Amino acid sequence: AAGVIQSPRHLIKEKRETATLKCYPIPRHDTVYWYQQGPGQDPQFLISFYEKMQSDKGSIPDRFSAQQFSDYHSELNMSSLELGDSALYFCASSHRTETYEQYFGPGTRLTVT
Amino acid sequence: KNQVEQSPQSLIILEGKNCTLQCNYTVSPFSNLRWYKQDTGRGPVSLTIMTFSENTKSNGRYTATLDADTKQSSLHITASQLSDSASYICVVSAPTSGTYKYIFGTGTRLKVLA
Repeated sequence: AAGVIQSPRHLIKEKRETATLKCYPIPRHDTVYWYQQGPGQDPQFLISFYEKMQSDKGSIPDRFSAQQFSDYHSELNMSSLELGDSALYFCASSHRTETYEQYFGPGTRLTVT
Repeated sequence: KNQVEQSPQSLIILEGKNCTLQCNYTVSPFSNLRWYKQDTGRGPVSLTIMTFSENTKSNGRYTATLDADTKQSSLHITASQLSDSASYICVVSAPTSGTYKYIFGTGTRLKVLA
């Protein structure tokens, strides 16, 4: 079965640069979630989208923004990168009418140097 | 204060032994509770999911219990294996704005030794 696809899988950026992470949800899923997981930490919820509208907001910095497009894929835009932004970024997707199981992608490892 | 707290923070056991991880939550309203296993650097993998009306759910050597009255859940691992070494995360979902948000617990890091 198709899973959540994230790209790129690895990304290296310098401080103050920008980065864009992409997430392609499982077909039929209409909700996308973004998480940030720092080294040795548990995933922290950043933001979610339902039917292309922001549905919930967590601890997402103002330097980050995200959107969901008409094909339900989502992009997380990160500007003025800081060393502390180095982390694993997970995307998850789900469908509102099912068991609310949230399927996670493999993650994008961002390293800021 | 985190709305989903887990204990212990870390645990070391010998291969073949059993262990129980705890999750206490204050989230309300509550939709369901999941236990995830997360290997280092990988995405979380769902072990069990329980709704309000379910008391127990098993998945192989993993058995989760839920007491919705006391807002407590536990994950029991039987006959532990080296591959069980991972972080175990309790996640409580709550309805919000037409969808659901997921509140992650603090996690328990389990290390199984040979």
